[in-house]
Amino acid sequence: NAGVMQNPRHLVRRRGQEARLRCSPMKGHSHVYWYRQLPEEGLKFMVYLQKENIIDESGMPKERFSAEFPKEGPSILRIQQVVRGDSAAYFCASSAGRDIATNEKLFFGSGTQLSVL
Amino acid sequence: EDKVVQSPLSLVVHEGDTVTLNCSYEVTNFRSLLWYKQEKKAPTFLFMLTSSGIEKKSGRLSSILDKKELFSILNITATQTGDSAVYLCASQGGSEKLVFGKGTKLTVNP
Repeated sequence: NAGVMQNPRHLVRRRGQEARLRCSPMKGHSHVYWYRQLPEEGLKFMVYLQKENIIDESGMPKERFSAEFPKEGPSILRIQQVVRGDSAAYFCASSAGRDIATNEKLFFGSGTQLSVL
Repeated sequence: EDKVVQSPLSLVVHEGDTVTLNCSYEVTNFRSLLWYKQEKKAPTFLFMLTSSGIEKKSGRLSSILDKKELFSILNITATQTGDSAVYLCASQGGSEKLVFGKGTKLTVNP
């Protein structure tokens, strides 16, 4: 019973390149959340998606960042023209639904550590 | 803007000590407060609290919520070195997202 799978675990990019972070939710989960964690900081919400729909992207920068969760395949967080300030750990979490009770069954992946040189 | 504040930010104790971690929140349309343990990388779920005054326990860990004073505490008794981690508090308001505090880094020395 695989958990939330994120890849790559570590990603190194030079300034101006694109970063693609992947998240495969747990089996049966159709809700995906992306969070960003800077050193010594808590997790900051970025975006909430269901299959083929962005439900809440209020935490995502308007420029350079985009997210998708297609009908088939993993959710992708895409960062274009990366800058040093994008260096952080990006976590994905998934749940089966949006009911409050599902908070207990919100599972996090191990994260992707993005380093921008 | 919704806010969660944890204290202390870091704590160093010896094995066998009891620790209390604090979490205060200001959240519109509060629905739940959650505690996570983060070792190495992936946060793992500990507790979800929705009602005041009801203690949740899991082994040596326990947590309680005070909705009047807007805070929660996480207690760990008889600490072990394996308890060393960052403990994250998060709250959910009217939207689906969780608002996290900065965490308390707990170090348990042998």
